[in-house]
Amino acid sequence: DGGITQSPKYLFRKEGQNVTLSCEQNLNHDAMYWYRQDPGQGLRLIYYSQIVNDFQKGDIAEGYSVSREKKESFPLTVTSAQKNPTAFYLCASMDPGAGNTIYFGEGSWLTVV
Amino acid sequence: QKEVEQNSGPLSVPEGAIASLNCTYSDRGSQSFFWYRQYSGKSPELIMSIYSNGDKEDGRFTAQLNKASQYVSLLIRDSQPSDSATYLCAVRGQGGSEKLVFGKGTKLTVNP
Repeated sequence: DGGITQSPKYLFRKEGQNVTLSCEQNLNHDAMYWYRQDPGQGLRLIYYSQIVNDFQKGDIAEGYSVSREKKESFPLTVTSAQKNPTAFYLCASMDPGAGNTIYFGEGSWLTVV
Repeated sequence: QKEVEQNSGPLSVPEGAIASLNCTYSDRGSQSFFWYRQYSGKSPELIMSIYSNGDKEDGRFTAQLNKASQYVSLLIRDSQPSDSATYLCAVRGQGGSEKLVFGKGTKLTVNP
């Protein structure tokens, strides 16, 4: 089945730790995205990548880092510099054959303990 | 800052009624418009996309776009309890922008 796979689904981080959220897609999409969602809020763009080995900051990139070494993979690292990382993280990719529609993975819940 | 505004709700309708969800956007050059449905604790799923002025129908869902008024809406006919969710409006700007800007969503409750 084609799709976007995020892991882990639930993650707990101690203060001061870096954690990495995995995102893998087998849809052959060039563009991939990371969004953050807080309770009762919309989605805010963290980083996006339009092609391998290239990525751009979104609206709330501070405290986060990404890499795009392979077309299929776009991992997000939440660093200790992110002061309020507890949120729902959504990875997405864009289908150019469907009007540039963005489709989402199932999401990862990150909680700071 | 490009903005997308939605009434946060909650919007409550009886089963079988028409639910009307509204969205306005600030970027007059926006080209693509999307409605996503998000169940509690789940990721958003695409309901409809619309690119031209007018109406677009898909089953019980109708998207309406008015670029002059910078307004897009989603109508849900014969609402079902399973339609209870938060509905997110998303807008892509002009110039082939790769980014979507999302509204905060409207929470819809359909009462049996």
